[in-house]
Amino acid sequence: SQQGEEDPQALSIQEGENATMNCSYKTSINNLQWYRQNSGRGLVHLILIRSNEREKHSGRLRVTLDTSKKSSSLLITASRAADTASYFCATDKGNYQLIWGAGTKLIIKP
Amino acid sequence: DAGVIQSPRHEVTEMGQEVTLRCKPISGHNSLFWYRQTMMRGLELLIYFNNNVPIDDSGMPEDRFSAKMPNASFSTLKIQPSEPRDSAVYFCASSGDDINYGYTFGSGTRLTVV
Repeated sequence: SQQGEEDPQALSIQEGENATMNCSYKTSINNLQWYRQNSGRGLVHLILIRSNEREKHSGRLRVTLDTSKKSSSLLITASRAADTASYFCATDKGNYQLIWGAGTKLIIKP
Repeated sequence: DAGVIQSPRHEVTEMGQEVTLRCKPISGHNSLFWYRQTMMRGLELLIYFNNNVPIDDSGMPEDRFSAKMPNASFSTLKIQPSEPRDSAVYFCASSGDDINYGYTFGSGTRLTVV
C-alpha cells in the first residue's frame, strides 16, 4: 500500500540548480525517510527525519517535516548529473514497516 | 559488509515454471523484507520477517507465492507456478535495530515470465 504521494512525479533541471521534491502522507508517523533509486538498482537510504524534528541536513540534502500538514520536502542543492535518479519518501509508524510513495523522477541536464 | 545480496540478478522463465529468488541479508540485521516493484503498482511489500519469523505476509499476492527464512542469513521467495503478470523486479531489504540507517536494499532480481 502507498501512503506517501510525491510531487512532482517528474522534475527536469539544469546542473547546478536546486531540486525540491515534496511528499504528503495521511496518518501519524514515527519518522519519514527518503531514498534514492538509480535506474536498474536497489533503493539507497538517504536521510531519516523523526516526527519531533522539523529540519535535517546531510551534505547537499535538506529535509523538512511539517507534521501539522503531513508533508515533507527534500531539497538537493547544487545538483549534479549523478543526482539523476528516482526519489522516494517512506513513512514509518514505528512498527518498522515502511509505507512508500510513488516516487519523483529527477533528471539533471548537463 | 557486501550489503544485501540477491540472486539471480535476472531470471527469464516460462509460464508455469517454478521460480526461486534468494536473499542474503546484512549480518546482524534482524528484519527482512521482500518487495515487488512494477511501473503500474510501484513498490509493494510482499512479506516481512523479524528474527526469521514471518510477521506480515498480507502482501503475498496468492498461494502461488511462498517465502521462507530458515536462518538469519538466508531467505527465499518462491513462485509456483509462475505467470506473466508476476514479471517485475523483486527486492530484498534488511534492517537492524538502529532506524537511523533505514533499510538496506539488494540490487534486485528482474523476473520475466513469458
